[in-house]
Amino acid sequence: DAKTTQPTSMDCAEGRAANLPCNHSTISGNEYVYWYRQIHSQGPQYIIHGLKNNETNEMASLIITEDRKSSTLILPHATLRDTAVYYCRTMKLTFGTGTRLTIIP
Amino acid sequence: DSGVTQTPKHLITATGQRVTLRCSPRSGDLSVYWYQQSLDQGLQFLIQYYNGEERAKGNILERFSAQQFPDLHSELNLSSLELGDSALYFCASSVDPVTGAKNIQYFGAGTRLSVL
Repeated sequence: DAKTTQPTSMDCAEGRAANLPCNHSTISGNEYVYWYRQIHSQGPQYIIHGLKNNETNEMASLIITEDRKSSTLILPHATLRDTAVYYCRTMKLTFGTGTRLTIIP
Repeated sequence: DSGVTQTPKHLITATGQRVTLRCSPRSGDLSVYWYQQSLDQGLQFLIQYYNGEERAKGNILERFSAQQFPDLHSELNLSSLELGDSALYFCASSVDPVTGAKNIQYFGAGTRLSVL
């Protein structure tokens, strides 16, 4: 299972796009990338997942590099309610420490 | 609402005691996962069950045990409790543990355990 690496924290201005990177350089060919977020102490919430192609849903977009060694989660118009810890994971069952995203008014 | 139900929401107990946390997965999900989250820490994977059988084990202490019943609900048993066991315990479920969309985990709201 691939290990993931994310920045510890990021800030983003309200209304701007938040771009959260994740490195998964040891990912294997059939491993998907999943993104979750945890708001305060609530249960983590699934956001999006992908294998090779870029994906978009009502919450976010996921850009996966061609070599699949990294990906970026994009929140197109961040709101204060997007302040949370964002986790990137592959098939590995642990979540790592994630990125604490703070949306600035 | 994720569809995963955890009870109780809060639990306060004393050191040395034993508690049971309960999880009902989403309808149709066969796989259940347990996670522990201590204060300001990441999610630590404890154990996974699939259709009643243990599938994967993480950093679960010997004092902790779990099982998944024929109706697919799961229980996490914590015994000889210590102060350091105070944490949020989350249960998640997925359709099955294979890759792709079926491996998306849906989390419950958690049980907050306080050991005094």
